[in-house]
Amino acid sequence: DQQVKQNSPSLSVQEGRISILNCDYTNSMFDYFLWYKKYPAEGPTFLISISSIKDKNEDGRFTVFLNKSAKHLSLHIVPSQPGDSAVYFCAASAYGNKLVFGAGTILRVKS
Amino acid sequence: EAQVTQNPRYLITVTGKKLTVTCSQNMNHEYMSWYRQDPGLGLRQIYYSMNVEVTDKGDVPEGYKVSRKEKRNFPLILESPSPNQTSLYFCASSLTGTSGSTIDEQFFGPGTRLTVL
Repeated sequence: DQQVKQNSPSLSVQEGRISILNCDYTNSMFDYFLWYKKYPAEGPTFLISISSIKDKNEDGRFTVFLNKSAKHLSLHIVPSQPGDSAVYFCAASAYGNKLVFGAGTILRVKS
Repeated sequence: EAQVTQNPRYLITVTGKKLTVTCSQNMNHEYMSWYRQDPGLGLRQIYYSMNVEVTDKGDVPEGYKVSRKEKRNFPLILESPSPNQTSLYFCASSLTGTSGSTIDEQFFGPGTRLTVL
């Protein structure tokens, strides 16, 4: 049973528009959430995180929103750029324990 | 350059032939971990190590062994590989693993694509 779900395997967006990647979780004990980005033939790299005491965290073009009641988080990329094309993994942890990853969403930004 | 290295990057082997995938980090990190990535399943943790000589099972440890004799190295050993261990493997490290209620950023190696025939 997957505790972290990314239900969209892929997403295609036009350059300059907003990309919204979604993630749902089932474990109410999760209190820290992260997004990782992965290019082909490379390992994942950390992108942005959010603690459960917040509902929003922003870093440049990247914003993560957390809705605890819905057990849902989303990553917004504005404006999207071709270099953002990658696989995005959502991950969660409970009380600083191990990371649990989602299956990933492939983002394609078309120029 | 701060990095996590893995070797080999690609490996094709046959069932039952013991193999080792090496992982090394140069950031003096205490925490190291192995993951496997499979389509539709994301990354799943195999084993992790909080420090030298301290290792523990992750979610999918069956068929794997690890050791942590030195801080910088964390090899993954498949004593008798089987086709269901065909996967993309990632080693990762972080400063301490946890920082209270948060979790330290994990730095990942480039991956090892393993095929077991």
